[in-house]
Order: sequence, then C-alpha cells, then structure tokens
Amino acid sequence: DQQVKQNSPSLSVQEGRISILNCDYTNSMFDYFLWYKKYPAEGPTFLISISSIKDKNEDGRFTVFLNKSAKHLSLHIVPSQPGDSAVYFCAATNTGRRALTFGSGTRLQVQP
Amino acid sequence: EPEVTQTPSHQVTQMGQEVILRCVPISNHLYFYWYRQILGQKVEFLVSFYNNEISEKSEIFDDQFSVERPDGSNFTLKIRSTKLEDSAMYFCASSEKAGGLGEQFFGPGTRLTVL
Repeated sequence: DQQVKQNSPSLSVQEGRISILNCDYTNSMFDYFLWYKKYPAEGPTFLISISSIKDKNEDGRFTVFLNKSAKHLSLHIVPSQPGDSAVYFCAATNTGRRALTFGSGTRLQVQP
Repeated sequence: EPEVTQTPSHQVTQMGQEVILRCVPISNHLYFYWYRQILGQKVEFLVSFYNNEISEKSEIFDDQFSVERPDGSNFTLKIRSTKLEDSAMYFCASSEKAGGLGEQFFGPGTRLTVL
C-alpha cells in the first residue's frame, strides 16, 4: 500500500535550523492530512493537521503546507530543537472514512 | 491531560492461543480504533468502532479478530487463534469526531509476541 509515501527515511538538522519533512500521496480522495510524532516505545502523538480546503496551517513552531495539485505536503519545524528528535509520520484520510493511512515515517535527528 | 491507556504493555503468547488486548479510550470520545505496526513496517489500520458496532475494517481484520466495548470505558481487541505473523505493536486510538473531522489520539501500544 503506497498511497502515502515518505521518501526520506531519515533527516538530520542542526538545532535552531529549519526541519522540512515531506510526504506525497496518490489517492485523490484524501482530503484531510495529519502529522504524528513518535518516540520509541510510545504511541504516535498528534502534531498538526490540514484540510484540503487550506494550503497552510500553523501551530507554534510547526507549519504544514499542502499542495493539492502536486499531491504533496510538508511539515516545517522552526526552530528545530533536540527534543524534536523522533520519527514523524504523515497520515491521510477522507471525511467519509475512519481509517488513517500512514506513511513509512521519517526519522528526524536534531543535533545540539 | 486525558490520554488513551492500553494494557498490557507486552503480551507473550503461544501460537494458536487467544489474546485480548485492552484499551481505555479518552472518556468523551465516541470513535475507537485499532492499528498495528509490524516491526519495520508502516502503522496499519485494523478497525474502527462507533455506536457499539464496527464502522470500518481493513483486509487485515479477518474472522480471527473481534472488537468489543464491554462496558462504558474499555475497548478490547481479541485475536482468536494467534499466528506468528500477528506479532506486532497494537495501538488503540480514539477520537471525538469521525475520520477526517477529528484527530485520533493514540495509546502507548501493546507489544504482542507470538511464539
């Protein structure tokens, strides 16, 4: 199932710099997208979401951008902090469904 | 802050045995979910539950699986006859609203090991 793809398995950035995590999707029925953060031995923690009627949503240091024509979304974290080091999952669904479809995750390492 | 809890944190069982994984969703949430993550793979949807019935299930959720909300607080996943390939982390989640309208909050997971 490759409906949601995160092509970068890992990303390393310096503390204070911007982290950009990318996600692509193929299912044009998806109209709601979420980002989750996951630490080892914990469940995914919701970060931020965006509906397809928007192209940007911001919450503190986290901003999600949605490009519907390219079927691409990205999560920007600025400034990055060492505590942001985790695996980040992109997920998608549509308003008629319950299930979230997850990407494979990107491991973010923020170097002090 | 309210959270989803799951017990046990780790379950070891023999192939062919039945297991019940337990979850306590956030109290005012109405929608409940089970997901699993096999080691090294994606988080996969299993089933959603609303108003005391299954509202959606994936191909993974076959006759060996069942869910129940036995009382006002617990939500359980039963695997009738476990297989080696059922070894995974199982995550329970809950949401206030359905699907794309409500963020799903996940529990810490139960690691199921089938020997």
